[in-house]
Amino acid sequence: KQEVTQIPAALSVPEGENLVLNCSFTDSAIYNLQWFRQDPGKGLTSLLLIQSSQREQTSGRLNASLDKSSGRSTLYIAASQPGDSATYLCAARTQGGSEKLVFGKGTKLTVNP
Amino acid sequence: GAGVSQSPSNKVTEKGKDVELRCDPISGHTALYWYRQSLGQGLEFLIYFQGNSAPDKSGLPSDRFSAERTGGSVSTLTIQRTQQEDSAVYLCASSLGRGREQYFGPGTRLTVT
Repeated sequence: KQEVTQIPAALSVPEGENLVLNCSFTDSAIYNLQWFRQDPGKGLTSLLLIQSSQREQTSGRLNASLDKSSGRSTLYIAASQPGDSATYLCAARTQGGSEKLVFGKGTKLTVNP
Repeated sequence: GAGVSQSPSNKVTEKGKDVELRCDPISGHTALYWYRQSLGQGLEFLIYFQGNSAPDKSGLPSDRFSAERTGGSVSTLTIQRTQQEDSAVYLCASSLGRGREQYFGPGTRLTVT
């Protein structure tokens, strides 16, 4: 059974800092992994989708990496801004036919001006 | 273009009543998913529809929960005889198909009193 863990649960950084959010998963037979952000009281916004055959994906100031052998993914945010404050969730889709995403509980990021 | 829409945005109901939650996926998306987000459990998969195939109902927590998707587009999630533990945010997502990026709606916040 796939389990996804995100540590830390909360992170506070000053504006301008580069930071890394961590995601680990127990079953390395993943099909892909998706990173989302969630603003308070809102739905999820998809940030990056990284396929099992890929090592990383980039979008603007965001870079996601995937290491299946170690069961880890990271989301790197460059030059953080107060507008980046949100909860970041990672979710894994496991091989074997199921389309469901298994989510971590998220990292709540606060970027202080 | 328009994203995933859900209605109502908020629903308060009395214990024992039935409720229906609606999801309109992104036009052209053949796959539709329902998830539930509650304080203690995080985000959990409920059900997945893909075209005319039989839905994956493996995440439905009890037989009080059911969902249908009419005409391959709009979906309705029905909860019968609601219980207080059903209180949560119900999120709908859609995608272009198997293994593709999932896009989420804003959710329906259900409160059972």
